[in-house]
Order: sequence, then structure tokens, then C-alpha cells
Amino acid sequence: AQTVTQSQPEMSVQEAETVTLSCTYDTSESDYYLFWYKQPPSRQMILVIRQEAYKQQNATENRFSVNFQKAAKSFSLKISDSQLGDAAMYFCAYRSTSGTYKYIFGTGTRLKVLA
Amino acid sequence: EPEVTQTPSHQVTQMGQEVILRCVPISNHLYFYWYRQILGQKVEFLVSFYNNEISEKSEIFDDQFSVERPDGSNFTLKIRSTKLEDSAMYFCASSEYVVGPRAKNIQYFGAGTRLSVL
Repeated sequence: AQTVTQSQPEMSVQEAETVTLSCTYDTSESDYYLFWYKQPPSRQMILVIRQEAYKQQNATENRFSVNFQKAAKSFSLKISDSQLGDAAMYFCAYRSTSGTYKYIFGTGTRLKVLA
Repeated sequence: EPEVTQTPSHQVTQMGQEVILRCVPISNHLYFYWYRQILGQKVEFLVSFYNNEISEKSEIFDDQFSVERPDGSNFTLKIRSTKLEDSAMYFCASSEYVVGPRAKNIQYFGAGTRLSVL
């Protein structure tokens, strides 16, 4: 069975600085998707970024980028030029490319942005 | 932008009572999910639902749980006789359904219902 581990329960970053959130996973599959979701205090989870395992190139979305290391089964999220609005819980998630497409989540990392 | 809507945002109930958590998925989505998050723990998959039937359920989803799509818009999770350990945040999600390994089928989540069992 697949597992997702986020080893940082909480992180802090100064406004305008860069922060990296860690995520590791375990799977025997070769093809899958990885996601980072953001859950602001309003509680709705919002997709931040998505990585397809078959793509070697790291995904980027504006200030958000990932470092996807398939062999190491590592999928970290880098937030550049952090803003106060980035403060949220961040969840890493895994999804197979077959079956019912359910997500397997990590425990989350709470990001605090300091003014 | 279309959203997944969940009601109520907070439900308080007595142990042994039945509760129904409601979700309105995005209108053109075909796949529906329930997840739960016990405070401080992982978000856990409960059940997926497609074509008016359960497509997969986890070990958590025992006989006390049921799901239904009673009409064209709502998707409900019923807990028949709540236990203290059912206290959690329950998230509904929906996605399109495109077959194939390159299908994105991104899930969109509601804001959740916090269930407190006393």
C-alpha cells in the first residue's frame, strides 16, 4: 500500500523569504500523480501544484515549484517570495493512475508566515 | 469558479444518534469521495462513488456508514449510530472522470463538516 509522510508538522517563514516543505512517499507503482494542496483557515483545500511521475521536469506554478526526486520518492514544495496569504496547512497527496483515483494524504504541514 | 459545497459546517450530536452530512459536488463531475480527518491526524479516504454505486471503500467505512446520491445534485454521507471516535472533519470531493493513465481527474474539495460526537 502507498504511504505519504510529511515530517514537518509546522514551519515558519519570513514574508518575502523562501521556504521548502518536505514530503516523501512510498509506492511500488511507476506511474502516479503527486499533489500539494493548501488548506487556509477557511478550510477549503485548494490545489497548489501537480506533478506527473512520468515527467522528469519539475512542475512550477508562479511562486510555487516542486523538487520531484522519483528515485528517492521525494516531492518537496518550494514557496518563493512568501506572502501572508500563504499561511495555511499544506497537504501532500499521492494518487494512482488506475483504480478509483482516491488520494492518499500526508499529515500536513502548518505554514506560518511572519510579517 | 464552481465549488463543492458542504453543509452544515459544524454538526454536534449525541453518541448513538444518526447524522447526515451533505455535499453538493461540482455539477459536471461524475466521481465523488468522502474523506475524514481526525484532529492532528492524516486525511483518510473513506469511500468513492461513481455511477450510483460505491466503487471503493476503506476499512473505516463499515456498516455504520452509507452514502447516497438522492437526486442529481446532492451526495450524502450517513453515519447510522455515531461513536465518540467518529468526531472528525469530513471532507467531500468531486472530480471529472476520464479514463486513462494521463487523465488528470483532479479532485475539488469542500470546506468540510466538523462533526462533534458528545
